[in-house]
Amino acid sequence: EDKVVQSPLSLVVHEGDTVTLNCSYEVTNFRSLLWYKQEKKAPTFLFMLTSSGIEKKSGRLSSILDKKELSSILNITATQTGDSAIYLCAQDARFGAGTRLTVKP
Amino acid sequence: KAGVTQTPRYLIKTRGQQVTLSCSPISGHRSVSWYQQTPGQGLQFLFEYFSETQRNKGNFPGRFSGRQFSNSRSEMNVSTLELGDSALYLCASSLTVGAAYEQYFGPGTRLTVT
Repeated sequence: EDKVVQSPLSLVVHEGDTVTLNCSYEVTNFRSLLWYKQEKKAPTFLFMLTSSGIEKKSGRLSSILDKKELSSILNITATQTGDSAIYLCAQDARFGAGTRLTVKP
Repeated sequence: KAGVTQTPRYLIKTRGQQVTLSCSPISGHRSVSWYQQTPGQGLQFLFEYFSETQRNKGNFPGRFSGRQFSNSRSEMNVSTLELGDSALYLCASSLTVGAAYEQYFGPGTRLTVT
């Protein structure tokens, strides 16, 4: 079965650090790759990526897709404690296990 | 615009019983997907409905079923509950069919099977 693999599974950083979260997929009929942030409740949408090499940005968060490498990264610069959450990537309806990010003051 | 709503929020059932969960999508959204989230398996896709038709289905046994009404509201039913069905059940709505598009999740229904 096609898989979506995220790494690392867990990450602890201090406020102000920059983090890079990874997502790789192995599907044959790619349509889009999506990133979500899940705090205590339901996931909230961050980015949808369909084209390789085009960076999407929202404030301190950015993401890019590499179709050749079947991967995507999510960058968070100048992290804040409010960024602490589980970050999920999904290829269609297939979700990765998520990266649990903890930002310490 | 109101978000996705799910009822009930919490539910405790006994093994062997059945349960029905409800989801109301964002106004104007016609696609509703259901997911099961557990600590061990993460978010797993159950099925997706669009225009009252099931468009996609995940790898879950036939005890899990769903339907969508003409107003896009959706229900999910689990029959003959097992202990392993204890999970957070999330529904998500989107404008178009296919979980390849941005989805908006409801708060979930926490189901505990004893």
